[in-house]
Amino acid sequence: DGGITQSPKYLFRKEGQNVTLSCEQNLNHDAMYWYRQDPGQGLRLIYYSQIVNDFQKGDIAEGYSVSREKKESFPLTVTSAQKNPTAFYLCASSPSYRSYEQYFGPGTRLTVT
Amino acid sequence: AQRVTQPEKLLSVFKGAPVELKCNYSYSGSPELFWYVQYSRQRLQLLLRHISRESIKGFTADLNKGETSFHLKKPFAQEEDSAMYYCALRTGNDMRFGAGTRLTVKP
Repeated sequence: DGGITQSPKYLFRKEGQNVTLSCEQNLNHDAMYWYRQDPGQGLRLIYYSQIVNDFQKGDIAEGYSVSREKKESFPLTVTSAQKNPTAFYLCASSPSYRSYEQYFGPGTRLTVT
Repeated sequence: AQRVTQPEKLLSVFKGAPVELKCNYSYSGSPELFWYVQYSRQRLQLLLRHISRESIKGFTADLNKGETSFHLKKPFAQEEDSAMYYCALRTGNDMRFGAGTRLTVKP
């Protein structure tokens, strides 16, 4: 079940700590995305990257940061500035930003106490 | 503003019954609409897109621009259809997802 991987599956952190979620893909996709999934709210876009060394803010970027130094990797850092970080985080990729289908990872559940 | 609304959080039907998952959107441009599905313990995946106008796993969805709807339908639901379904709207810059509908098909 490769393609796009996220690690770890579960992550626990204390309030005030930054935490980085990993997302890797071996699909040779140019575009990558980070979503946050909360019950009753669907998926909300945090950041996206159309190509390596480029990324753009989504709807709820505050308190998050990303980097895209390599085509296959798009890590997401949840900073202490994020007021409500406990959530399920999904990473996705697509061949290009114009592609209609996104391929999703298995997700990481982050719990901050 | 672009928005996708799925009015039903939960939907339960019996096996063999017809099922319709509702999706309404708001977008001033020409929409691209999709249905994504997440089965238990599986990843979120594309089910169908309106442009293809095809039937996938017996599901169809017709874009109704007048009603700004893209409802997902299946004439005879199966137990294996039980899953979380998300309607998605693609605009020029991003993909917007609805809140999702959890479909349960009872035996």
